[in-house]
Amino acid sequence: AQSVAQPEDQVNVAEGNPLTVKCTYSVSGNPYLFWYVQYPNRGLQFLLKYITGDNLVKGSYGFEAEFNKSQTSFHLKKPSALLSDSVLYFCAVMGRRALTFGSGTRLQVQP
Amino acid sequence: DAGVIQSPRHEVTEMGQEVTLRCKPISGHDYLFWYRQTMMRGLELLIYFNNNVPIDDSGMPEDRFSAKMPNASFSTLKIQPSEPRDSAVYFCASSYTGRSYNEQFFGPGTRLTVL
Repeated sequence: AQSVAQPEDQVNVAEGNPLTVKCTYSVSGNPYLFWYVQYPNRGLQFLLKYITGDNLVKGSYGFEAEFNKSQTSFHLKKPSALLSDSVLYFCAVMGRRALTFGSGTRLQVQP
Repeated sequence: DAGVIQSPRHEVTEMGQEVTLRCKPISGHDYLFWYRQTMMRGLELLIYFNNNVPIDDSGMPEDRFSAKMPNASFSTLKIQPSEPRDSAVYFCASSYTGRSYNEQFFGPGTRLTVL
């Protein structure tokens, strides 16, 4: 069975600084990896996905993620954090069409 | 498109009562998923359908939970009888298999409180 680990419950970063939200995965076969963001009292919104091809995937709102097969990681990154990025982020892996989510990481961007 | 629609947005009920949550997927989508989110267990898949047929219900916690999809534009998740430990946010999501491994689109969720 596939699984995803987000080792940090919360990440703090200063506004304007680069940010990284970590994710590692475990899956048999090729990994299909996703990042979602959850705003308060709302459902999840898709940010980006890795299916195949280039290891650096670009997504919405300036976010990108780097797939690293040898480290089984799919870290979310952004060059310059905004205050509005302070929400909850979920990494997920797909198996047979359904998603298995990590526990989530809350990003806190400080002025 | 209005996106995935869920109703009600909030539901408060008493233990033992029947609860029905409703979902309208995005038109044209052929997969529909029900998830539950709690602080203790995070986001967990309950069941999913393909072309209105249940494919995997291994995440349904127990027989008190049932889900149906009578047509391509409507699904229900029913809890009977409800218990306080069922209190959670329930999300519906849909996706389209025109291309493989498409992202899922989530509804706003139903926050269920069982007293």
